[in-house]
Amino acid sequence: SQQGEEDPQALSIQEGENATMNCSYKTSINNLQWYRQNSGRGLVHLILIRSNEREKHSGRLRVTLDTSKKSSSLLITASRAADTASYFCATSAGRRALTFGSGTRLQVQP
Amino acid sequence: NAGVTQTPKFQVLKTGQSMTLQCAQDMNHNSMYWYRQDPGMGLRLIYYSASEGTTDKGEVPNGYNVSRLNKREFSLRLESAAPSQTSVYFCASSTVYGYTFGSGTRLTVV
Repeated sequence: SQQGEEDPQALSIQEGENATMNCSYKTSINNLQWYRQNSGRGLVHLILIRSNEREKHSGRLRVTLDTSKKSSSLLITASRAADTASYFCATSAGRRALTFGSGTRLQVQP
Repeated sequence: NAGVTQTPKFQVLKTGQSMTLQCAQDMNHNSMYWYRQDPGMGLRLIYYSASEGTTDKGEVPNGYNVSRLNKREFSLRLESAAPSQTSVYFCASSTVYGYTFGSGTRLTVV
């Protein structure tokens, strides 16, 4: 079973717009991570937010975490065509391996 | 470049054949993982190894075996391939800051 579920499943925006993706999960976590996957490639780690953090920034990325609602959001500001990829949230609980959601496919139109 | 190396990149097997997917990391990470990714889905954990000499089952271990040969290498073996094992397989290693993934092995079982 998958712990995290992303919403929307697919998102198409114009270059320069902001993209927001959401992730919901079911059980208590240690941290939540976001990964990017370009077509046919491996996943690349973007950002990690711990359960005691509410917001984190990295460049054009902003991640929020609401543990009371068991949800997280990833905001990509001023999107570029190169941001076109699938984005996955993944949760860490205890000493177990990461559990991944099914992903959001982002298409940024030039 | 430091990272996770997977071989082979592509493989076609006939039903019932066996093969071993190889994975090596040069980042001195303790933990290593094998995931599979099916079309339009997130990653599902097959097996993981928290440290050299230990392995544990993940969500979908049936039909697979693993060997943590040393700290660098973690192999995945399919003893008798089935069409349901057609997938893209990813190896990863991790620290507390996140996972590093290989570029994947695309396996087709006919």
